[in-house]
Amino acid sequence: DAGVIQSPRHEVTEMGQEVTLRCKPISGHDYLFWYRQTMMRGLELLIYFNNNVPIDDSGMPEDRFSAKMPNASFSTLKIQPSEPRDSAVYFCASSLRDGPSTDTQYFGPGTRLTVL
Amino acid sequence: GDSVTQMEGPVTLSEEAFLTINCTYTATGYPSLFWYVQYPGEGLQLLLKATKADDKGSNKGFEATYRKETTSFHLEKGSVQVSDSAVYFCALRGGGAQKLVFGQGTRLTINP
Repeated sequence: DAGVIQSPRHEVTEMGQEVTLRCKPISGHDYLFWYRQTMMRGLELLIYFNNNVPIDDSGMPEDRFSAKMPNASFSTLKIQPSEPRDSAVYFCASSLRDGPSTDTQYFGPGTRLTVL
Repeated sequence: GDSVTQMEGPVTLSEEAFLTINCTYTATGYPSLFWYVQYPGEGLQLLLKATKADDKGSNKGFEATYRKETTSFHLEKGSVQVSDSAVYFCALRGGGAQKLVFGQGTRLTINP
């Protein structure tokens, strides 16, 4: 398997612009997670889905952030409008509830977002 | 709520030194415990895990034992290599939940 795929790998945008980050989880996985990593706050869970349904979005910082999972093989995290404090590395991860690797989250390479 | 506390970094060692990175946790019930590693420019990778008290997880020469009495899961390696330089995260998964709670990470640098 190709692993978790994220795009773009790097994104530079100006304050106020809309940003869309994309994730393709590992085929067959039923959980998908979005994380944000910054020097100040470390690794934070933003939202996670089970079978395409959002389960816990308590980590989403504010209404400017939204996430969708229209099908089992694709998810987006959108920031509108973006602000400089949103600059971070955003990771997507997926996992499978049952099976020999249960509990293990597989992370994508991340998207480094810079908002000027 | 559940939480994980790791030793403050950064940690700098010489090659072949003994490594310990401390991790303690607070959780209700019986969580599963994990160590993830993040190499520069990459996402996190599972290093090892333990799902019940007294279990020992091991991988690539690293070990950690689930100690319920001290609520700890310290990471150890007998002889580190330059290639072990990375950021190490301790994490737990509370019973019944799928989400992980991560510690703040410990940056490890190994000098030749």
